[in-house]
Formats: sequence, structure tokens, C-alpha cells
Amino acid sequence: QKEVEQNSGPLSVPEGAIASLNCTYSDRGSQSFFWYRQYSGKSPELIMSIYSNGDKEDGRFTAQLNKASQYVSLLIRDSQPSDSATYLCAVKSFGNEKLTFGTGTRLTIIP
Amino acid sequence: DGGITQSPKYLFRKEGQNVTLSCEQNLNHDAMYWYRQDPGQGLRLIYYSQIVNDFQKGDIAEGYSVSREKKESFPLTVTSAQKNPTAFYLCASSPRRPGGPDTQYFGPGTRLTVL
Repeated sequence: QKEVEQNSGPLSVPEGAIASLNCTYSDRGSQSFFWYRQYSGKSPELIMSIYSNGDKEDGRFTAQLNKASQYVSLLIRDSQPSDSATYLCAVKSFGNEKLTFGTGTRLTIIP
Repeated sequence: DGGITQSPKYLFRKEGQNVTLSCEQNLNHDAMYWYRQDPGQGLRLIYYSQIVNDFQKGDIAEGYSVSREKKESFPLTVTSAQKNPTAFYLCASSPRRPGGPDTQYFGPGTRLTVL
């Protein structure tokens, strides 16, 4: 069974601190990795995509991928109350059209 | 503005009725997807289509049907055979260019409630 696992949280982080979200996956053939942010009652919106081992930075967000250990993480620097949401990790295998989603981590930024 | 639209935003259905959820995109994306999200759960794939006039079942296709007669449109019908249809339904699309990005982008969703 191919799975993507995330800690459901809630994860509480003080405003201005770094929030660290983690995701592990079971399919070693996974090639594409995505982080989506979902506000309550809304649809997911793409935050980051990453395809190669290492770090990828975009503004306050950094995605980290380690294929050998089969994990992908998302760091949010200088956390803001507006970052409070559920973060979904999604993984896609080579030659597979389907994304497999984790159940999401609920993040709360405390002012 | 380019994007994905879904209608209606909220839909109420009586047991035994079929309902059709609309999904339209003007992004010129080849691939389109339907997901279902239940509280506290991840997204589960219902159907997907990579090209016009072709579609494949996802992980939970039973009780649902789709069509892809136009590139821009991928409607989902929730039939009376779906035993627990109350959920948040999300449509997504992807450009699917060979060697290019395969990111999926989501519409705003339709919340279906069975009365």
C-alpha cells in the first residue's frame, strides 16, 4: 500500500518562530513532491513543489527533500497568524498520473 | 482571468437523487481530476482524465460517473448508488506537458450534503 503520512497535529507555533512540517512516504519510485495549504472550508492551494534532493526556497517557505530517507519537509520562517491552516503533503510516482495525499497537519500560529 | 471554476458552491440532495457537479477550466490543461474530501481525511481520487473522450477510475469510483467531451469541462455525477455522498468535492487540473511541471491546481470546491 503506497502511503503518505503526516502528523495530524495540531502543531502550535509562536508568531515569528519557524514552523516545521514533516511528511514521509512509502513508495521509493516517488518523483514529484508538493505542499498545499488549505484554509478551513476552502480548497488546497499550492505552496511549493520539489523534485530533487536538497532544499528549495521561496520567500518564507523552504521545502526539503531526502529521497534516501523518504521524507519531505516544509519550513515556514517568521510564522504569521495567516499561516494558520492545514498543510497537505502530496506525492507522485514516475509514470503515474495520480497524486497521493497525506491527511494533513493542522498548524496554528499563536500571536 | 485563467482558472478553475466549480458550481454550485453548495448543493443539497435528497436520498435517491442523482446530481451533477460542474468543473470548468480555461487554463488549457490536458488533465483533469475529481477528488473527495471528508472531515479529517486526505483527498481521495474519484476519477481522472488525461485527454478528451478518455477517463480512468480512481481509488473510489463506485457510485460516481464522469464525462470528458470537451477539454475545458469535466462534470461529475454523484449517483444514488453512492452510499455516503456527503463530502467536499474538489476538481483539479494539470498541464501534463512531457518533461514539464505536473502540478495539480484546484478549483474552489462544491460542498454536497445529502438530506
